[in-house]
Amino acid sequence: EAGVAQSPRYKIIEKRQSVAFWCNPISGHATLYWYQQILGQGPKLLIQFQNNGVVDDSQLPKDRFSAERLKGVDSTLKIQPAKLEDSAVYLCASSLSQDSNQPQHFGDGTRLSIL
Amino acid sequence: AQKITQTQPGMFVQEKEAVTLDCTYDTSDPSYGLFWYKQPSSGEMIFLIYQGSYDQQNATEGRYSLNFQKARKSANLVISASQLGDSAMYFCAMRGWGGKLIFGQGTELSVKP
Repeated sequence: EAGVAQSPRYKIIEKRQSVAFWCNPISGHATLYWYQQILGQGPKLLIQFQNNGVVDDSQLPKDRFSAERLKGVDSTLKIQPAKLEDSAVYLCASSLSQDSNQPQHFGDGTRLSIL
Repeated sequence: AQKITQTQPGMFVQEKEAVTLDCTYDTSDPSYGLFWYKQPSSGEMIFLIYQGSYDQQNATEGRYSLNFQKARKSANLVISASQLGDSAMYFCAMRGWGGKLIFGQGTELSVKP
């Protein structure tokens, strides 16, 4: 089966600019996640979707970050305006369901650099 | 609150030897899952192995096994017969129902020829 697809793979922008990331989960996976991974740390959840509804966005900086999954399949994550501390890898993951025994499968990530 | 602790920032192992990567966790949920992921320098997160909190036996997947000690709240990863391609960051993670994955800080494993 095809894995989680993410684009772009790399992105370099200047602070205060905007950027968008795209994710297409594994077919049939109802749950989709966006994580932020800062260099030297483990990933941190930004937002979780179940189909097209938000389950958890408690750690999403809502003044600058937004995400949507309008048709319950692919998703976009946007940052506007970007800050230097947003430099990180943004990982998208999906799982069949929210059950604790379901592994999350990750895409290759988008490496974002803010100048 | 849930928490994952990996106390080994870096580990070295000789090729073909076994290595254990430590992971302890804290949760008040009676049902949870424990996962290990591998992250090579290229950045992708690769799912390795899963252990459920009610599983009676330790999980195994090829050269990977999980030493699950529920009373001690530990879920150590054992890699047998290390290969050069095993050099990577390894993350332990925990998940309750409906919940996000909580990751540890990671352990960087280097396999020496």
